[in-house]
Amino acid sequence: GQQVMQIPQYQHVQEGEDFTTYCNSSTTLSNIQWYKQRPGGHPVFLIQLVKSGEVKKQKRLTFQFGEAKKNSSLHITATQTTDVGTYFCAGGWGGYQKVTFGTGTKLQVIP
Amino acid sequence: DARVTQTPRDKVTEMGQEVTMRCQPILGHNTVFWYRQTMMQGLELLAYFRNRAPLDDSGMPKDRFSAEMPDATLATLKIQPSEPRDSAVYFCASGLVRGYLYGYTFGSGTRLTVV
Repeated sequence: GQQVMQIPQYQHVQEGEDFTTYCNSSTTLSNIQWYKQRPGGHPVFLIQLVKSGEVKKQKRLTFQFGEAKKNSSLHITATQTTDVGTYFCAGGWGGYQKVTFGTGTKLQVIP
Repeated sequence: DARVTQTPRDKVTEMGQEVTMRCQPILGHNTVFWYRQTMMQGLELLAYFRNRAPLDDSGMPKDRFSAEMPDATLATLKIQPSEPRDSAVYFCASGLVRGYLYGYTFGSGTRLTVV
């Protein structure tokens, strides 16, 4: 089946350092979504990217969609303890009807 | 803020018992999803509905799981009989598809423990 691979699985950073998680598909995606799940919580939608090469920013978060629409990244600048959680990408193929979630990157921020 | 409501929040049951989980999607959302989350498998799509009609339930073990939407305000997921391997957090999510899918809104989940 169609899958999205996400790396790294875990990341520990010192508060103030930057963080990046990557998402890859072997086939061209139609769209990609990003979610954040706090410990003990539920996934919360962050953003959706649909255009080749698209870059979107939300405060300290920068989201990119690759030119070939096979990969995506989420970059957090100057991490804070509030950024702790698991970040999931979710890829869609053909029509934006549903998405398949990646395995997630668990971010720990050391104060 | 509009939210997806799931009940119960926690459920502990004995193997072999029937379990029913309920979900109230956001009013106006036309697509409802059921996901299961475990440490080993991550987030797995079990089933989803568009305008109350089932579109895809290929991720669901058919012999024991069933999903329905008796009306636009209620989605249910049933497991009968339950087994210890069904222990997981079950999330309902709803979304709006109008041309394409906007982001999902997840409920808080039902943590199921089968002993």
